[in-house]
Amino acid sequence: DTEVTQTPKHLVMGMTNKKSLKCEQHMGHRAMYWYKQKAKKPPELMFVYSYEKLSINESVPSRFSPECPNSSLLNLHLHALQPEDSALYLCASSPKVGTAYEQYFGPGTRLTVT
Amino acid sequence: AQSVTQPDIHITVSEGASLELRCNYSYGATPYLFWYVQSPGQGLQLLLKYFSGDTLVQGIKGFEAEFKRSQSSFNLRKPSVHWSDAAEYFCAVDTEYGNKLVFGAGTILRVKS
Repeated sequence: DTEVTQTPKHLVMGMTNKKSLKCEQHMGHRAMYWYKQKAKKPPELMFVYSYEKLSINESVPSRFSPECPNSSLLNLHLHALQPEDSALYLCASSPKVGTAYEQYFGPGTRLTVT
Repeated sequence: AQSVTQPDIHITVSEGASLELRCNYSYGATPYLFWYVQSPGQGLQLLLKYFSGDTLVQGIKGFEAEFKRSQSSFNLRKPSVHWSDAAEYFCAVDTEYGNKLVFGAGTILRVKS
């Protein structure tokens, strides 16, 4: 199974809402990632988890809060978002962090902030 | 810091014609290079990767890429394009420190029948 799943597929939320994005993989990977992709732009790295610990935070605003409850699951908690946060949020995983392992991407969650 | 340039924003080719998508990278040491494809509204699928060794790498769906260190390039090729190849293609570089992918701006491929 080489699949990364993400739920929900689409999410519409108001600026005062709290919501969460979920990502799951069952490939035994120990590195997981969140990317943000604006329309007509490449993905931009947000967070990297290695062995369930946050290893990279690319200066992401605190209204985005990642969580890695176990080695298969990655969440992104959203609170008080702005309309400019509307984007496709991609999750990825790889066997480990370090020395170039390929990343497997999920289909993404399309987020719209109203 | 590493960076990737994809000079062509859009490319249109006829079905059955050959394809070459350009990618130039900037990184002082040994780069790890990838090509990903993304269909509209979808995630990214890895086409191929270069870590070391043979500079001509084969990927899925009939794609190949050639690493040329002297030109800092990693161009993607396909001898005969199919309509289903229409998508956006991203070149990406990772460093020896690992797993901090930097993507190029992407090239949108249109296939005309």
